[in-house]
Amino acid sequence: DAGITQSPRHKVTETGTPVTLRCHQTENHRYMYWYRQDPGHGLRLIHYSYGVKDTDKGEVSDGYSVSRSKTEDFLLTLESATSSQTSVYFCAISDGTKTDTQYFGPGTRLTVL
Amino acid sequence: RKEVEQDPGPFNVPEGATVAFNCTYSNSASQSFFWYRQDCRKEPKLLMSVYSSGNEDGRFTAQLNRASQYISLLIRDSKLSDSATYLCVVIVYNNNDMRFGAGTRLTVKP
Repeated sequence: DAGITQSPRHKVTETGTPVTLRCHQTENHRYMYWYRQDPGHGLRLIHYSYGVKDTDKGEVSDGYSVSRSKTEDFLLTLESATSSQTSVYFCAISDGTKTDTQYFGPGTRLTVL
Repeated sequence: RKEVEQDPGPFNVPEGATVAFNCTYSNSASQSFFWYRQDCRKEPKLLMSVYSSGNEDGRFTAQLNRASQYISLLIRDSKLSDSATYLCVVIVYNNNDMRFGAGTRLTVKP
């Protein structure tokens, strides 16, 4: 299994509070991704990073920001959490080759009350 | 229309059965294709890549039909441990553009 950890694994928070989720990898992969997964939807890309301090928006980036100050860490911040952001969040990594796929972390289950 | 569509199931089959899942994708420029498996409350894990010539991995066979824009996964001799949700995944332009189907749920019963 790819060396990817996420923290926290579970979190309950209140509407309007900021929340930061952390993804840590030990594979030295260049690319890191944040997805959310909701019932009836496939995983949807929030943001991704293609290197230290290099990030870009995905399909559902509104209300989220990211930072990557080190190769191994990719942070996802919900600036002011809303109930619609209740979801399971997955981090993924890849080395960026054309045919390479992505490997996922264990997920963070976030509930916004 | 969703970019990647799958029958959500559930498929309930007895042990030993053969079961097939299909997936359709809308973007004809799609380049790479995969099947992932996701167990309940776990992360998705790569099951197999899908090649134009079709490929097999033990009891699992994946096929791609570019003309009709669909991908299939065939599971032979189903095991209880095959119970999971199977995600169809398509890379459109590059690795940063993976599109996921919502998944097909399989339950294999004794």
